[in-house]
Amino acid sequence: KNEVEQSPQNLTAQEGEFITINCSYSVGISALHWLQQHPGGGIVSLFMLSSGKKKHGRLIATINIQEKHSSLHITASHPRDSAVYICAVIVGRSRGGADGLTFGKGTHLIIQP
Amino acid sequence: GAGVSQSPSNKVTEKGKDVELRCDPISGHTALYWYRQSLGQGLEFLIYFQGNSAPDKSGLPSDRFSAERTGGSVSTLTIQRTQQEDSAVYLCASSLGQPRLNTEAFFGQGTRLTVV
Repeated sequence: KNEVEQSPQNLTAQEGEFITINCSYSVGISALHWLQQHPGGGIVSLFMLSSGKKKHGRLIATINIQEKHSSLHITASHPRDSAVYICAVIVGRSRGGADGLTFGKGTHLIIQP
Repeated sequence: GAGVSQSPSNKVTEKGKDVELRCDPISGHTALYWYRQSLGQGLEFLIYFQGNSAPDKSGLPSDRFSAERTGGSVSTLTIQRTQQEDSAVYLCASSLGQPRLNTEAFFGQGTRLTVV
C-alpha cells in the first residue's frame, strides 16, 4: 500500500465546476505539498501546509492532521487548470530518502470548455 | 535566474550511451533533490544533497546512476550505459533547508530523457 493515496486518479469536468482532489496518507508528516504538473513535465508548487487551510486565487487547500487527509479545491474551474495534481508529504522522521518528499501518483484533471 | 533551471529540456540518446543532466538550483538553497518520473508512474526519489553533507543516495536505482554537486550549487546527474527503462522525466528541486524544517521545495521544468 502506498503511503500517499490520491483520489480520484482521473477526473474530467466541465468548465466552471467545483473540483475536489483528495489525498490521504498513512505516516506521520510535518507538512504536505500540493504540486501541479503540466503536460510538458514541469512542476509548480501550489501550496505547502501543515495545518488548517490556505487559499490562492481559485485554489484552496485544506489539511486535517488528525485524520491524515488533505484536499485541494478548484473553484470556477477553467480549461487551463487541466494538469496533473500531485500530493507530496514531508515525513517527520528520517529514513532512506525520507528527507525528501513522498509523492502520491497524481490526479489527472481535464477541464472541458 | 529566479527559479530552478534544468538542462537540457529534452534529450534523446542511444542505448548504451552516457548522459549528463544539469540542475541549477535557486541561489542560496542548500538542499537539492533529484526525482524521476517514468511514464504513468509517480515521482520517484533518486538523491538528496544537503549543504556539504554526504548525499543521501538511497533512491538511485543502480550503480549506473551517479550525481554530484559542485561548490554546493550546480548538480549533475549522470547515467552511464543508458537503458530503455531509463527513459523518464528527471526533475530537480531545491529548498532553503531540510524538508523536516517545513521549507518549501521549488521544482525545475525537468529533462525528458528518451533512450532509443
